[in-house]
Amino acid sequence: AQKVTQAQTEISVVEKEDVTLDCVYETRDTTYYLFWYKQPPSGELVFLIRRNSFDEQNEISGRYSWNFQKSTSSFNFTITASQVVDSAVYFCALTGGSQGNLIFGKGTKLSVKP
Amino acid sequence: DTAVSQTPKYLVTQMGNDKSIKCEQNLGHDTMYWYKQDSKKFLKIMFSYNNKELIINETVPNRFSPKSPDKAHLNLHINSLELGDSAVYFCASSQRGVQVNTEAFFGQGTRLTVV
Repeated sequence: AQKVTQAQTEISVVEKEDVTLDCVYETRDTTYYLFWYKQPPSGELVFLIRRNSFDEQNEISGRYSWNFQKSTSSFNFTITASQVVDSAVYFCALTGGSQGNLIFGKGTKLSVKP
Repeated sequence: DTAVSQTPKYLVTQMGNDKSIKCEQNLGHDTMYWYKQDSKKFLKIMFSYNNKELIINETVPNRFSPKSPDKAHLNLHINSLELGDSAVYFCASSQRGVQVNTEAFFGQGTRLTVV
């Protein structure tokens, strides 16, 4: 069965701190995709990144970076120099097989205080 | 232009009523979904349609019935609403294939409150 675990329920940091959100997944599929979504207080779900199982290169986009390690089944997300606008719930998700639907983790609520 | 739009954004209704939520995508995607987000923010798939064909039907009460008139639309009809149906319902779409699964784009969500 597929599963995504985000062990951190809530994280609180002060602006400009770096913060890492953890994501561990389980799947028997050899081809699968991992995602991060952001849900700000306004409620919409915003796509951040997609990574397929054959691409273990880390990715950096501005203050955001992602570390994908198949050996530990982890896909962690780091925000550098956090800002108040980063406050949101962040979801890690997995899809694979023939279904295509997203299996979400329970989310990590990040609060960035000024 | 909004990529995935769902209406209404808020829906307050009494127990026992029947209501519908509409969803449309203009991305040309072949797969559409309904997800439910409960009060603890947990997101779970309800239904998935690929080219108007139902491919996922999770354990959802049969009071919930999706309808896909064409590839760009997936509506959700709920009969005999119950208090426990209160949640945020998200529509999404993606392009799904053997070799690739694109990211899903989500609508803004419909907050359903049953009183």
